[in-house]
Formats: sequence, structure tokens, C-alpha cells
Amino acid sequence: NAGVTQTPKFQVLKTGQSMTLQCAQDMNHEYMSWYRQDPGMGLRLIHYSVGAGITDQGEVPNGYNVSRSTTEDFPLRLLSAAPSQTSVYFCASSYSTSEQYFGPGTRLTVT
Amino acid sequence: ILNVEQSPQSLHVQEGDSTNFTCSFPSSNFYALHWYRWETAKSPEALFVMTLNGDEKKKGRISATLNTKEGYSYLYIKGSQPEDSATYLCAFRMDSSYKLIFGSGTRLLVRP
Repeated sequence: NAGVTQTPKFQVLKTGQSMTLQCAQDMNHEYMSWYRQDPGMGLRLIHYSVGAGITDQGEVPNGYNVSRSTTEDFPLRLLSAAPSQTSVYFCASSYSTSEQYFGPGTRLTVT
Repeated sequence: ILNVEQSPQSLHVQEGDSTNFTCSFPSSNFYALHWYRWETAKSPEALFVMTLNGDEKKKGRISATLNTKEGYSYLYIKGSQPEDSATYLCAFRMDSSYKLIFGSGTRLLVRP
């Protein structure tokens, strides 16, 4: 099993550009989520999904969209990138409400 | 707004020292408390998921306790080793919500 994979590993965007961060898991987990990690702030939940076709907002959803058309994939879209979205983004999945498995992260810089 | 607090923020210990950290969380509507270990340049990895008041979990030299009535959990490392150097995160889940609220972590550095 590859576990949770994320692409790209690094990305630099200009303000106003849009992009999609990809996340996939091969463990048949129904729960998937996106977090951002900023210095001194731990992990903050952006959006999450409890199954294909079902998504909901986390603590910091503004500026991001998600969709969950399959169990395996949970892409995160930045609609119009802003410098405040410079961060490290982690995707995670879990079986029900048990321990989460994290992807390797995407380091995003918005200039 | 749910608040999960971890203390201390950082800790430097000598190899062989035993150490412990604290995670404080809301005592109402408790569902679960997670502990994760996060090494630099890697992803967080789960250590424990604790659900019952009085729960104690152990993995090698690392153990954790849980007090849901007063809203805290302790993580203990016995005989710290340099490879224990990492950030230790706790995360709180209320009721049966999927949302995990993370603390900002305790950064541990073990000197050889």
C-alpha cells in the first residue's frame, strides 16, 4: 500500500493564481481531511469528508474548495491564492474516527 | 471555540532523562484524545487514541494517561533517547464529530 500520497511536494504561486493540491489514499478509508500547518499554530482543519459525495468545513475553510467524487481522492482547490495561504498542507485519512494517517505534505509559497 | 493546549512548548533533556508533557482539552462532550509523534521533515504518526477516562496506553518507552473529567492527558517518555526528538501533538475529538482539534505541540530535543 502507498498509504496517503500528495502532489506536488512543493509549489510556488503568484497572488491570484489558482491551483489544486492532490491527495489520494489506497486504504479504503471513508474519512479524509485537509490541514494546514503554520509555525506555532499546530495543525488546523480546512475541510473534511466522511465519504464520497460528502464534504464539510473545518476551522479555516475560507479560500479553499474541496470535492470527493471517489473514496480514494480528495483534492483541495485554492481559488485565488493569497500570501496568507503560504503554508504546509497535509492530507490525512482514517477509518471512522480512529487514528489518522497523514500524507507527506505540500509546501506552498504564495508571492 | 474549542481550545487544546499543550505544555511545555519545548523541552531540552539529556539522554536517559525521563520526561512528560501535558495536553489540556475541554472536559465536556469528550469523545477521544489522540497523540501523534512528528519528526522533522516527516508526517505526523499516531501514537495513541484514548477514549475512556482513566485509560492508560503504552508503546515501548512511551506511555499516556487520560483524565476526561478534568480535561487533561499526560505523555511520558522513560529514558529519553536522541531518536525520541520530535514534536508531540495531541488532538481532541468531541462527541462523535469527525473534527480533530490539534494543540500546537511540544517540541522535544534529546541531547546525547
